[in-house]
Amino acid sequence: GENVEQHPSTLSVQEGDSAVIKCTYSDSASNYFPWYKQELGKGPQLIIDIRSNVGEKKDQRIAVTLNKTAKHFSLHITETQPEDSAVYFCAASIGANSKLTFGKGITLSVRP
Amino acid sequence: ETGVTQSPTHLIKTRGQQVTLRCSSQSGHNTVSWYQQALGQGPQFIFQYYREEENGRGNFPPRFSGLQFPNYSSELNVNALELDDSALYLCASSLLSGTPGELFFGEGSRLTVL
Repeated sequence: GENVEQHPSTLSVQEGDSAVIKCTYSDSASNYFPWYKQELGKGPQLIIDIRSNVGEKKDQRIAVTLNKTAKHFSLHITETQPEDSAVYFCAASIGANSKLTFGKGITLSVRP
Repeated sequence: ETGVTQSPTHLIKTRGQQVTLRCSSQSGHNTVSWYQQALGQGPQFIFQYYREEENGRGNFPPRFSGLQFPNYSSELNVNALELDDSALYLCASSLLSGTPGELFFGEGSRLTVL
């Protein structure tokens, strides 16, 4: 089955700096790659997603890039703010059934 | 539009007991997925229900079972609880269509097994 690995496991940045989180996946059939943000005591919330027919997608301060050949995708957050501090999960799925395989998550800390 | 709601938010059980967790899906959604999230880990897919039928299952034993009702709400049942079942159980609803759709997660039910 699909295996999604996420690294690093923790990341600390200064407010205003950029943060980059990387994930790799194993199944070349995966075609949907969402990123979720989970704040303490809450469920994961989708922040951005990308499909395999697209190489990059941006939404204000966040962007995701996908390299299908290398089977990796990355989340980029620019101009980080303290409210960006949370756990971020990458995930991958095959087809339309929305069964997601998640990475282990990364704890992002933004220092004021 | 109401979001995904789960109950109870917290519960404590002992080994061998049974538990039922409940989920109300977001308005307009026809699919409910359940995930188990152990402490410090990413969510793991348990199963998905679409129009009251199981539509995919992850690597969980048969003592994990579920139901989906005509109003698309859902239950997760776990029998013969084990210590390793302690986790946050997340319900997510979505609209199953031709392309992968966004999962909307509830805040979860935190189960502690003693």
